[in-house]
Amino acid sequence: RKEVEQDPGPFNVPEGATVAFNCTYSNSASQSFFWYRQDCRKEPKLLMSVYSSGNEDGRFTAQLNRASQYISLLIRDSKLSDSATYLCVVSDASGGSYIPTFGRGTSLIVHP
Amino acid sequence: GAGVSQSPSNKVTEKGKDVELRCDPISGHTALYWYRQSLGQGLEFLIYFQGNSAPDKSGLPSDRFSAERTGGSVSTLTIQRTQQEDSAVYLCASSLEARRNTEAFFGQGTRLTVV
Repeated sequence: RKEVEQDPGPFNVPEGATVAFNCTYSNSASQSFFWYRQDCRKEPKLLMSVYSSGNEDGRFTAQLNRASQYISLLIRDSKLSDSATYLCVVSDASGGSYIPTFGRGTSLIVHP
Repeated sequence: GAGVSQSPSNKVTEKGKDVELRCDPISGHTALYWYRQSLGQGLEFLIYFQGNSAPDKSGLPSDRFSAERTGGSVSTLTIQRTQQEDSAVYLCASSLEARRNTEAFFGQGTRLTVV
């Protein structure tokens, strides 16, 4: 399976800061892109899908750059509760089905 | 409704023993995935089931690992002759179907410790 790479961090930021994560993927034929969030000793949960035109959900903005094969996640006005590991996920069609490939995650610590 | 359920939540086993891990996907989800996550590592794909199609076993690390899915619902991951390097959290996920932009829902995982 093709690789998905992320800076593991940790990113240590104060409350209210803006922080951005990038992720690169190696398979140019990749079709679906996501950001998942994983809290310590918990299962991953979908944060947001990433669409070609870019998309926003409250304080979170995701963007896709197909030409450079990277995905970004921007978090504005960071909250203490945003502390978690953020997983970049890419799916490419394998025989017509999409199997998610996960990056190792970027750790975010938001401090008071 | 109920989410993805995995059992046991924790399993400690002796090296060389066989273990079975169970996953109950969300009702109606046709796609089911197994991953494992070692301490501080990302999720490593193991195997994928889609409906009645032959599973994609390309991620299984050795022939000691096998999985089945009965009746298109419950899945069991079996590890034979466990080794210490098998220690990890084994995560199961399901989705409505494996297609573009479909969310995968995860169970809480089985934490396997081989001593």
